[in-house]
Amino acid sequence: GENVEQHPSTLSVQEGDSAVIKCTYSDSASNYFPWYKQELGKGPQLIIDIRSNVGEKKDQRIAVTLNKTAKHFSLHITETQPEDSAVYFCAATNNYGQNFVFGPGTRLSVLP
Amino acid sequence: EPEVTQTPSHQVTQMGQEVILRCVPISNHLYFYWYRQILGQKVEFLVSFYNNEISEKSEIFDDQFSVERPDGSNFTLKIRSTKLEDSAMYFCASKRDRVLNTEAFFGQGTRLTVV
Repeated sequence: GENVEQHPSTLSVQEGDSAVIKCTYSDSASNYFPWYKQELGKGPQLIIDIRSNVGEKKDQRIAVTLNKTAKHFSLHITETQPEDSAVYFCAATNNYGQNFVFGPGTRLSVLP
Repeated sequence: EPEVTQTPSHQVTQMGQEVILRCVPISNHLYFYWYRQILGQKVEFLVSFYNNEISEKSEIFDDQFSVERPDGSNFTLKIRSTKLEDSAMYFCASKRDRVLNTEAFFGQGTRLTVV
């Protein structure tokens, strides 16, 4: 089955700096890759996603890149703000979106 | 904005007792999930449900677990005889349909504590 790895497990950046979180997946059939943000005590919230027919997608300060050949995808957050502090999960689906396999998460701390 | 709602937010139960976790998916969504997250660990898939039947389930989802859509709005997860290791956050999620590449929306979760 699909296995998703994620690095780093923790990341601290200064406010205004960029943050990059990287994920790899194992199943070449995976073709949808969402990123979720989870704040303390809340459920995961979708922040951006990318489909396998696209190499990059951007939404304001957030961007995601996908390298299908290498089977990895990354989340880029620019101009980080303290409210970006949360745990971020990448995920992949290996069939028709029936089962999202999550990475282990990255705890991002944005220091003022 | 439509959202997935879960009740209760926190449930404490004694080992061996049955619990039912409730979810109200987004109203026009047809595909439903349960996930769990043990404290500090990753979000793990339990089961997906479509057209009134289980579509897929993980090895975690053993005979102690069951799901039901008792009416047009609720989606429930039952744990028949809880164990200490069932303590976790349980998240319900829904998706508009089965078609590839549609977003899954998660509820706020139910924290289950088995004592």
